[in-house]
Amino acid sequence: AQTVTQSQPEMSVQEAETVTLSCTYDTSESNYYLFWYKQPPSRQMILVIRQEAYKQQNATENRFSVNFQKAAKSFSLKISDSQLGDTAMYFCALWGWHSGGSNYKLTFGKGTLLTVNP
Amino acid sequence: SAVISQKPSRDICQRGTSLTIQCQVDSQVTMMFWYRQQPGQSLTLIATANQGSEATYESGFVIDKFPISRPNLTFSTLTVSNMSPEDSSIYLCSVERVETTNEKLFFGSGTQLSVL
Repeated sequence: AQTVTQSQPEMSVQEAETVTLSCTYDTSESNYYLFWYKQPPSRQMILVIRQEAYKQQNATENRFSVNFQKAAKSFSLKISDSQLGDTAMYFCALWGWHSGGSNYKLTFGKGTLLTVNP
Repeated sequence: SAVISQKPSRDICQRGTSLTIQCQVDSQVTMMFWYRQQPGQSLTLIATANQGSEATYESGFVIDKFPISRPNLTFSTLTVSNMSPEDSSIYLCSVERVETTNEKLFFGSGTQLSVL
């Protein structure tokens, strides 16, 4: 079974500051993907960043970057120069083989509500 | 990127009735997924729907309660049957696409269901 754990239910940051959201996961597979999704009040799931497990280099997307520690099964998200529009729920997710269902599946963490204060 | 149209966007239903949610994709996809997001909670996979085969349900979800159809490679429906207030949630469909861009999985905009 694969699990994703986000230990920070809520976080806040001042505009223009940097914040890091934590995520740990567990899987017995060697081939998987990790994602951070953003869900604003509109409900739409928006991909923030993705990381392939076989890549050692940490993924970056503009102000967003990850710290992928494969041995420790850790996948944190750093948001630099935080903006008011970054206020949302952030979900860490793992895409991997689900032996119980004989297919790939996406498993989500419980989410971190990030508030960017002006 | 895939365009997913999910209908209805929201509904208010009476206890004991059923609601069918539709998910239409703008291109053919193999795997479609249905998720439930209870208030203030994360997304939980209900089932995986592949065209031409029975849907695969996750633990805690059964076909009698959440029947799924997948008649072709661009369309799927999820029915929430014999609803109770505990079924009040957001329901989202998702598809897997092999894309050249960064995205691999795409989500519909969700259906906000309230059961009275």
